[in-house]
Amino acid sequence: SQQGEEDPQALSIQEGENATMNCSYKTSINNLQWYRQNSGRGLVHLILIRSNEREKHSGRLRVTLDTSKKSSSLLITASRAADTASYFCATDDSSGGSNYKLTFGKGTLLTVNP
Amino acid sequence: DGGITQSPKYLFRKEGQNVTLSCEQNLNHDAMYWYRQDPGQGLRLIYYSQIVNDFQKGDIAEGYSVSREKKESFPLTVTSAQKNPTAFYLCASRNRGNEKLFFGSGTQLSVL
Repeated sequence: SQQGEEDPQALSIQEGENATMNCSYKTSINNLQWYRQNSGRGLVHLILIRSNEREKHSGRLRVTLDTSKKSSSLLITASRAADTASYFCATDDSSGGSNYKLTFGKGTLLTVNP
Repeated sequence: DGGITQSPKYLFRKEGQNVTLSCEQNLNHDAMYWYRQDPGQGLRLIYYSQIVNDFQKGDIAEGYSVSREKKESFPLTVTSAQKNPTAFYLCASRNRGNEKLFFGSGTQLSVL
């Protein structure tokens, strides 16, 4: 079953604007990660936030995590046409160790118009 | 270059045929994963392996089989029992102690 659910399913913005994507999940997690996928390609890891963290930054990316609401958001600032891609959240709700696996949401398709 | 190589990039399956998707990594990672991606449904876990000669079923293992005879290789066989195999298949790996996954570039499987 899907753990993370992204919102919105699709987002279209102009270059230079900020893009915000949200992810909700159902069970307790150890960490939450965001990945990016260009059309027809594999996923690339962007950022990881642990369950005891509330906010994390990496370049133009800002991720927040609210474990009380079981939700996370990914903010991309000053977007560029090259940011056009699908963005997925993934959660680790395993007991860790030998059973580690990630559960992915359905993704948000971001289109940045030049 | 270090990375994960999936082959072929495109694969066609005839009805009743088994096909095998290749996944090779030279990252010396312990764990490897197979995901299936359908349009609008995100990624779903098929099988995963944390160590050589051991693997576990994911959420949608029916109609698929895997082996892990070597650390660097984790092939996925789509059997004739999988009635709807058309999808994009992604292989990933992870190093012990590191939570993030590294992905291959995927194989698009279609039914003739």
